[in-house]
Amino acid sequence: NAGVTQTPKFRVLKTGQSMTLLCAQDMNHEYMYWYRQDPGMGLRLIHYSVGEGTTAKGEVPDGYNVSRLKKQNFLLGLESAAPSQTSVYFCASTIIPRLTEAFFGQGTRLTVV
Amino acid sequence: DQQVKQNSPSLSVQEGRISILNCDYTNSMFDYFLWYKKYPAEGPTFLISISSIKDKNEDGRFTVFLNKSAKHLSLHIVPSQPGDSAVYFCAASARNSGGYQKVTFGTGTKLQVIP
Repeated sequence: NAGVTQTPKFRVLKTGQSMTLLCAQDMNHEYMYWYRQDPGMGLRLIHYSVGEGTTAKGEVPDGYNVSRLKKQNFLLGLESAAPSQTSVYFCASTIIPRLTEAFFGQGTRLTVV
Repeated sequence: DQQVKQNSPSLSVQEGRISILNCDYTNSMFDYFLWYKKYPAEGPTFLISISSIKDKNEDGRFTVFLNKSAKHLSLHIVPSQPGDSAVYFCAASARNSGGYQKVTFGTGTKLQVIP
């Protein structure tokens, strides 16, 4: 999935620290998404964006903020990390507002200690 | 409240045989269903989808069947190959009030194809 790149791939944070996960896509897609994957939970939508300058809450938005200042980038921020945010985070993008043929990044494994 | 359920966490199949992965859903508003495949350390990749107006969609070795009355979805892989070994996620979508297709994922089934 060379079209969607997530940075970083791994990170360990201490409780209370902040960080930003970067998602970049080079396919000119309008729609971008942030998911988290936890054991036994499937993928759950955190926030999404339907275009540059717009964001919306997903299923599990608490504790996260996002920004889409440029069409190709979708940032996910953790202001004060908690152990419950230990997860694998996936970014995805699509050209239409449906996850058909969505392109996912390779994931970011975040551990909060 | 798990609206999309994959009750089998894992499945082992011999190479060349059929793999059948099952998925059940509870929300009758779902109008589009998808299967994604995920290899370790990679993001999910789209595999196949089906609209609620159909009961079957085929793409090469992959066929998805939809039984709306039973709220049941299945993915058939024939013949199974070792490269099919991965985690398969079932997903269902429904349009929300903002026009966005909200997608709900199942918990995944890990398929192992034994050579």
